[in-house]
Amino acid sequence: QQQVKQSPQSLIVQKGGISIINCAYENTAFDYFPWYQQFPGKGPALLIAIRPDVSEKKEGRFTISFNKSAKQFSLHIMDSQPGDSATYFCAASIQGGSEKLVFGKGTKLTVNP
Amino acid sequence: DAEITQSPRHKITETGRQVTLACHQTWNHNNMFWYRQDLGHGLRLIHYSYGVHDTNKGEVSDGYSVSRSNTEDLPLTLESAASSQTSVYFCASSEFGTGGVSPLHFGNGTRLTVT
Repeated sequence: QQQVKQSPQSLIVQKGGISIINCAYENTAFDYFPWYQQFPGKGPALLIAIRPDVSEKKEGRFTISFNKSAKQFSLHIMDSQPGDSATYFCAASIQGGSEKLVFGKGTKLTVNP
Repeated sequence: DAEITQSPRHKITETGRQVTLACHQTWNHNNMFWYRQDLGHGLRLIHYSYGVHDTNKGEVSDGYSVSRSNTEDLPLTLESAASSQTSVYFCASSEFGTGGVSPLHFGNGTRLTVT
């Protein structure tokens, strides 16, 4: 049973556009929601993370929106750039424990120049 | 700079052979993890360790084993490689266990092909 469902599987956006990736979770005990970014040939790296006590967190062009009642969270990339082309993974865990981190299946983002 | 080094980067082996993938971290982290990444499945946890001599099974541990004899290394062994174990393997480490926000630091992966 997949605990974190991520969509879409792939996304193509024009330079300057907004990229939106959505995730939904089932386990209400989850209390830490990170997003990881992975470039080809590299390991994933933490991009941004949120706790459920806030509805939004922004870091530069990257924003996480969190809807606790709907058990959904999303990543918005404003003014998308070709350098943002990567695979993005949402994840969730209980008490921030890395060993309990459950990943979505990933979204491959392509930003066309 | 601290880092995680995985070796080899690419490996081709035959069905039934024993294979060991190396992972070495210089973060001095207590926690280390092995994931496999497959198209359509994302990242799935194989084994993890909270410290020296501690190992735990993850979601997809069948056919894999790990041992932790020091802080820096967590080798992953495939006892008898199977074609279903063809995948990209990632090692990761983190500083805290439960209760803390501790990002995972990943290596660059080992691409394993079992023929």
